[in-house]
Amino acid sequence: RKEVEQDPGPFNVPEGATVAFNCTYSNSASQSFFWYRQDCRKEPKLLMSVYSSGNEDGRFTAQLNRASQYISLLIRDSKLSDSATYLCVVTSGGNTDKLIFGTGTRLQVFP
Amino acid sequence: DAGITQSPRYKITETGRQVTLMCHQTWSHSYMFWYRQDLGHGLRLIYYSAAADITDKGEVPDGYVVSRSKTENFPLTLESATRSQTSVYFCASSESILAGGPRDEQFFGPGTRLTVL
Repeated sequence: RKEVEQDPGPFNVPEGATVAFNCTYSNSASQSFFWYRQDCRKEPKLLMSVYSSGNEDGRFTAQLNRASQYISLLIRDSKLSDSATYLCVVTSGGNTDKLIFGTGTRLQVFP
Repeated sequence: DAGITQSPRYKITETGRQVTLMCHQTWSHSYMFWYRQDLGHGLRLIYYSAAADITDKGEVPDGYVVSRSKTENFPLTLESATRSQTSVYFCASSESILAGGPRDEQFFGPGTRLTVL
């Protein structure tokens, strides 16, 4: 089983739609969680950190469910510019934490 | 105000040759990382460094060597390139890795696309 699993998509949605991605992780010791965004052939960039209480940044909402070991990302009112690959990232747990990246979920927003 | 840069951006080499990929950051971040990204695998950590002269292996270190004599530089060397090392290589840096919150954010360089023939 992969440490971090994501549905690769693509998710094809019209502008204005709401879309949600889930990501599951296998290590219950993981402490920090992130969503990164990666545009085609570009470097990943942090979209948002995911906190236990959940957090919202404009049109983006991230949730963490420790009991079921998954995190989610909700995008409301999708824009064409949201088209990208969204990477779920968790720390490996323990004293030598490293980031473990999922393979990403591709989102394509169409007019 | 470059942030984090990588060179070269593109490299074609032959099997058996030594190749060095350069990474330079201007933020004085303590931590630096090398990842490779391949289809179906996501980003995989090769090596990382917590400070100058401190390096540690990641998930896929075989065939790679790193050094960090200065805080701002973290070169990655392929001692004898193989075709399986054809990939996109990303360097990243961060203030910390265990602090939690924004200090753990990793900033990535633009990547080096390496082809080994």
